[in-house]
Amino acid sequence: QLQLQESGPGLVKPSETLSLTCTVSRGSISSSPNYWGWIRQPPGEGLEWIGTIHYSGSTYYNPSLKSRVTISVDTSNNQFSLQLNSVTAADTAVYFCARLQGEEFDFWGQGTLVTVSS
Amino acid sequence: QPALTQPASVSGSLGQSITISCTGASSDVGGYNFVSWYQQHPGKAPKLMIYDVSKRPSGLSNRFSGSKSGNTASLTISGLQAEDEADYYCCSYAGSSTWVFGGGTKLTVL
Repeated sequence: QLQLQESGPGLVKPSETLSLTCTVSRGSISSSPNYWGWIRQPPGEGLEWIGTIHYSGSTYYNPSLKSRVTISVDTSNNQFSLQLNSVTAADTAVYFCARLQGEEFDFWGQGTLVTVSS
Repeated sequence: QPALTQPASVSGSLGQSITISCTGASSDVGGYNFVSWYQQHPGKAPKLMIYDVSKRPSGLSNRFSGSKSGNTASLTISGLQAEDEADYYCCSYAGSSTWVFGGGTKLTVL
């Protein structure tokens, strides 16, 4: 069964860049349905869609985050990544990566907590 | 892109049925038959329960069902069990390859 695993620093300073990687195993990032996404959840709050990428590199972002977000894909390592610039305390959240199957997210990583603090 | 509106909490007794609503707009819930529902237990990743408004992933209990009317989607859980106690989130395709989630509903099983 497909597995996804987030990795990256758990602590980021304000104004710096948050960088996370999602490694896909037991499946190929290039195989149908080919779309992958990032979703976040601030402590005690709801889910927020951040963005989605196709293995070819096409990207789609939440308009509220678009100016600060970059999602990229590395097919050779079966990974895709998230960069969020100019972070503030409001970006503190558990970040999940997930596979987009059709119009729903069917496989999720376990999530990783990123805290923005000096 | 405002979040979809869900009740903050719902409760039901063991064996009963409950329904969670998810209200959006014609630009998301009302405009597409692409509403999905996720169950999330504390400290865990969300789990897909319903997709395309009313379809269940393979192997999922038929106690879970989904529907939609206009700009409001609903998740119904019948025969409530203790393990159903969790947070539930709706999500809708919102056009132009974007998605929007609901604020979440905490289900308490009495």
